Amino acid sequence: DAEITQSPRHKITETGRQVTLACHQTWNHNNMFWYRQDLGHGLRLIHYSYGVQDTNKGEVSDGYSVSRSNTEDLPLTLESAASSQTSVYFCASSEGTGVYEQYFGPGTRLTVT
Amino acid sequence: GNSVTQMEGPVTLSEEAFLTINCTYTATGYPSLFWYVQYPGEGLQLLLKATKADDKGSNKGFEATYRKETTSFHLEKGSVQVSDSAVYFCALTNSNTGNQFYFGTGTSLTVIP
Repeated sequence: DAEITQSPRHKITETGRQVTLACHQTWNHNNMFWYRQDLGHGLRLIHYSYGVQDTNKGEVSDGYSVSRSNTEDLPLTLESAASSQTSVYFCASSEGTGVYEQYFGPGTRLTVT
Repeated sequence: GNSVTQMEGPVTLSEEAFLTINCTYTATGYPSLFWYVQYPGEGLQLLLKATKADDKGSNKGFEATYRKETTSFHLEKGSVQVSDSAVYFCALTNSNTGNQFYFGTGTSLTVIP
């Protein structure tokens, strides 16, 4: 069965370190998204991609970057981790635009100390 | 712009009680509306959706009707079960914003036996 996976599921890192969160989907979807989930804010869009070599900034992109070298993967990099980036991160993918639902991964809980 | 507002939680109900979670939206044009559910420790899953005015989405006993006149998409279930305990997110996507989703802040539901 097609799926979307994230790794690691839990990560503790120190302030100032570079961290990369992996997202891999086997749906063969062109569209991929990264969100962060924080209490009182719901899900907020960090970055998204509509295809290979395409990346776009979302609502809360400062301090984060992504790259899309193939259809299956969209890794999220925190260039220099800050305590404000402690959160749960979700990756999602979708087949197309408009009415297509997004499929979510299980999430990565990141703690920055 | 596009935004979603949903009722504050947490909500606690007894088993077999009636559930309503309110959701209103702001959008230009003709958005598609969604309810997602997040069980503890998991990613979001699509619960139901509606793509045009007066459409009713339904799944697992949950229903929501797309009301353009009141810009609402309230989630209802006639008789909740303990297994319905989760966080529920209302969301919209709009053709004028590609496939970006806008999520509400989520409503936590606990059903007690």
